[in-house]
Amino acid sequence: QKEVEQNSGPLSVPEGAIASLNCTYSDRVSQSFFWYRQYSGKSPELIMSIYSNGDKEDGRFTAQLNKASQYVSLLIRDSQPSDSATYLCAVYFTSGTYKYIFGTGTRLKVLA
Amino acid sequence: GAGVSQTPSNKVTEKGKYVELRCDPISGHTALYWYRQSLGQGPEFLIYFQGTGAADDSGLPNDRFFAVRPEGSVSTLKIQRTERGDSAVYLCASSLIGTSGGAGSYNEQFFGPGTRLTVL
Repeated sequence: QKEVEQNSGPLSVPEGAIASLNCTYSDRVSQSFFWYRQYSGKSPELIMSIYSNGDKEDGRFTAQLNKASQYVSLLIRDSQPSDSATYLCAVYFTSGTYKYIFGTGTRLKVLA
Repeated sequence: GAGVSQTPSNKVTEKGKYVELRCDPISGHTALYWYRQSLGQGPEFLIYFQGTGAADDSGLPNDRFFAVRPEGSVSTLKIQRTERGDSAVYLCASSLIGTSGGAGSYNEQFFGPGTRLTVL
């Protein structure tokens, strides 16, 4: 069973702080990892993709990947109330099939 | 360019009826995915197409669910004899290539706005 796990939250952080979201996955051969943001009543929006170990930065977002430990994280710097949403981790599994498995999402609340 | 589109945005039906949900992927995307999302959950994989063929339909919950993509572009998810438990948001997503075992932006998957299905 291929699994992707996230803490459902809510994770509450004050405005301007760093929000740290974590995700673990079960399949060692996975090579592609994605973070989606989903506002209430909307569909998921891709915000970051990462393929190699280490950090990848895009604006206020940094994705971190550690394949040996099978985790991927998302840091949001200078958090804004508009960042309040559910953040979904997705892993692209390629052993036996080619599909994306999503975690249940972490709800982030940025307090003004 | 245009993103993934889905119609209808909302569908209310009665138990036992048949429904069709349509997805129009991003032009040029060969891989198309259907998901179902319930409140408080992540998207649950249903089926994925590579071109016209269903490459993996292991997520379809039972034989009341069926999907087609006859020309390798638009896809239709069909649900027969709907049940109240089928109520959910049905999401469609597409990506450039769905079969590569490697890494790259061609694996990035983009979602449509979804169809909210309510079975009364």
